[in-house]
Amino acid sequence: GENVEQHPSTLSVQEGDSAVIKCTYSDSASNYFPWYKQELGKRPQLIIDIRSNVGEKKDQRIAVTLNKTAKHFSLHITETQPEDSAVYFCAASMEGQNFVFGPGTRLSVLP
Amino acid sequence: GAVVSQHPSWVICKSGTSVKIECRSLDFQATTMFWYRQFPKQSLMLMATSNEGSKATYEQGVEKDKFLINHASLTLSTLTVTSAHPEDSSFYICSAVRTGGRSPLHFGNGTRLTVT
Repeated sequence: GENVEQHPSTLSVQEGDSAVIKCTYSDSASNYFPWYKQELGKRPQLIIDIRSNVGEKKDQRIAVTLNKTAKHFSLHITETQPEDSAVYFCAASMEGQNFVFGPGTRLSVLP
Repeated sequence: GAVVSQHPSWVICKSGTSVKIECRSLDFQATTMFWYRQFPKQSLMLMATSNEGSKATYEQGVEKDKFLINHASLTLSTLTVTSAHPEDSSFYICSAVRTGGRSPLHFGNGTRLTVT
């Protein structure tokens, strides 16, 4: 089955700096890769996603890149703000099927 | 659109009792719903896949007789934790994919279960 690894497990950055979180997956059949942000005690919220026919996607301060050959994808947050502090989960799946989540990255943006 | 409602948001129960958690897709139909469990500071772990009109598929290590899942309609799935014990205390989250649609998963707000 699919296995998703995520690094780093914790990340602290100064406000205004960029943050990068990387994930690798094992199943080459996976074709959908979402990123979720979870604040303490709340449900995960989708922040951006990418499908395997695209190499990069951007939405304002957030971008995701995908390297299918290497089976890894990354989340990039620019101009970080304190409200970006949360746990971020990557996931991999085939369309409409169960998601396998990475272990999560706790991001702290220091003012 | 694509709202998933989960109820209750939190529940405290005594050891040995059963607790039912409901997951509803409010504005779309979901043939498949997924139930996750999340322990503190850990990732979401899939417990079971709930399919409308058929038996749920459980992940390895999840007791199907303890975690009863019913998916009787295209908008409702329920998870019943039977004979709950303190080690069942956790954050349970359901999610759904729109029938015939493409990803992503839409999550419910989660249920924090505390068994005393």
